[in-house]
Amino acid sequence: AQSVTQPDIHITVSEGASLELRCNYSYGATPYLFWYVQSPGQGLQLLLKYFSGDTLVQGIKGFEAEFKRSQSSFNLRKPSVHWSDAAEYFCAVGTTGGGNKLTFGTGTQLKVEL
Amino acid sequence: DAGITQSPRHKVTETGTPVTLRCHQTENHRYMYWYRQDPGHGLRLIHYSYGVKDTDKGEVSDGYSVSRSKTEDFLLTLESATSSQTSVYFCAIRARSGDYEQYFGPGTRLTVT
Repeated sequence: AQSVTQPDIHITVSEGASLELRCNYSYGATPYLFWYVQSPGQGLQLLLKYFSGDTLVQGIKGFEAEFKRSQSSFNLRKPSVHWSDAAEYFCAVGTTGGGNKLTFGTGTQLKVEL
Repeated sequence: DAGITQSPRHKVTETGTPVTLRCHQTENHRYMYWYRQDPGHGLRLIHYSYGVKDTDKGEVSDGYSVSRSKTEDFLLTLESATSSQTSVYFCAIRARSGDYEQYFGPGTRLTVT
């Protein structure tokens, strides 16, 4: 069975600083990987996805993520954080069959200091 | 916007009562999912559907049932609600075949007292 670990429960960064959120996955085959963002009281919005090909993927809102098979990681990055980026971020791994189910990590809460 | 609505958006109910949550989509997606979100657990899959009358269990299906009699509607039922089912429930659809990302509805906050 697949699993996702997000080791950082909370992260605080200053506005304008760079950001990296960690995600490690366990999956027996080639993974389908996703990052979602959730603002307070809202649903989940897809930031970016990785299926195959280029291991550096670009997403919305200036985010990018890099797939590293050797480290089973899919870390999310942003060069300069804005106060509006404060939210909870979820990494997820998807199956290619069996309903294409997603398994989520427990999330990282990002706080941005002005 | 994947055209997903959930109803009700908020509900308070008493232990032992039945509760049905509705997910409605307007774009004829084949796959639909129900998740629950709890602090410290992220989102966990309850049930999913891969077509009308075709459903399967997820990770945390005990105490829940689902039905899908029309493509556009996916219902989640708590036969006898318990306090442990207090949660935020999200419905999702899977993008068209060839893609695997899911798009989420706005959620239903359920409180069981």
